[in-house]
Amino acid sequence: AQSVTQPDIHITVSEGASLELRCNYSYGATPYLFWYVQSPGQGLQLLLKYFSGDTLVQGIKGFEAEFKRSQSSFNLRKPSVHWSDAAEYFCAVGGQTGANNLFFGTGTRLTVIP
Amino acid sequence: DAGITQSPRHKVTETGTPVTLRCHQTENHRYMYWYRQDPGHGLRLIHYSYGVKDTDKGEVSDGYSVSRSKTEDFLLTLESATSSQTSVYFCAISESRRSTLLADNEQFFGPGTRLTVL
Repeated sequence: AQSVTQPDIHITVSEGASLELRCNYSYGATPYLFWYVQSPGQGLQLLLKYFSGDTLVQGIKGFEAEFKRSQSSFNLRKPSVHWSDAAEYFCAVGGQTGANNLFFGTGTRLTVIP
Repeated sequence: DAGITQSPRHKVTETGTPVTLRCHQTENHRYMYWYRQDPGHGLRLIHYSYGVKDTDKGEVSDGYSVSRSKTEDFLLTLESATSSQTSVYFCAISESRRSTLLADNEQFFGPGTRLTVL
């Protein structure tokens, strides 16, 4: 069965510090992996996606993620966090079949302190 | 931003009443989805559509029905709302890859509808 685990419910970092949000997935075939960000009261915005090829993918707003098949992980990173990065982050997994229904993790809420 | 609107944006209703939420897109995308978002659960798929009049169930479809009579509109109906259906509902759209009928895998989300069932 498909599933996504985001083990950190809430993370607090200082502005300017580095960030890593963890994501582990379970999927029976080649996964497509996504990170979305949601600001309070807003919809979801795609940060980055992995379909194939280079396992280090670059996204918007200075984010990157690395796909590690051996660890079933797709962790999100940013070298220097800005106060505007405070939001909720969702990892999702989908596949190549049919309508590509996505399975989301439960999210990680990021708080940035000055 | 993808042209996706949801209406209403907020609704308060009473248990047992019917409720219909509308998702409208201007992108002419083939695939449309309804999700609900609840604390501790992330987003869960309710129903999806892969074309006009073509729909299928998702992970949490009980108590919900959908209809798609036009490419641009995807309706979610709660026939008899219950308090457990209090949630934020998101619509999403996705396009087919040119060479196949498979969804493009990148989903674009609407702004959401906050539904409260008293």
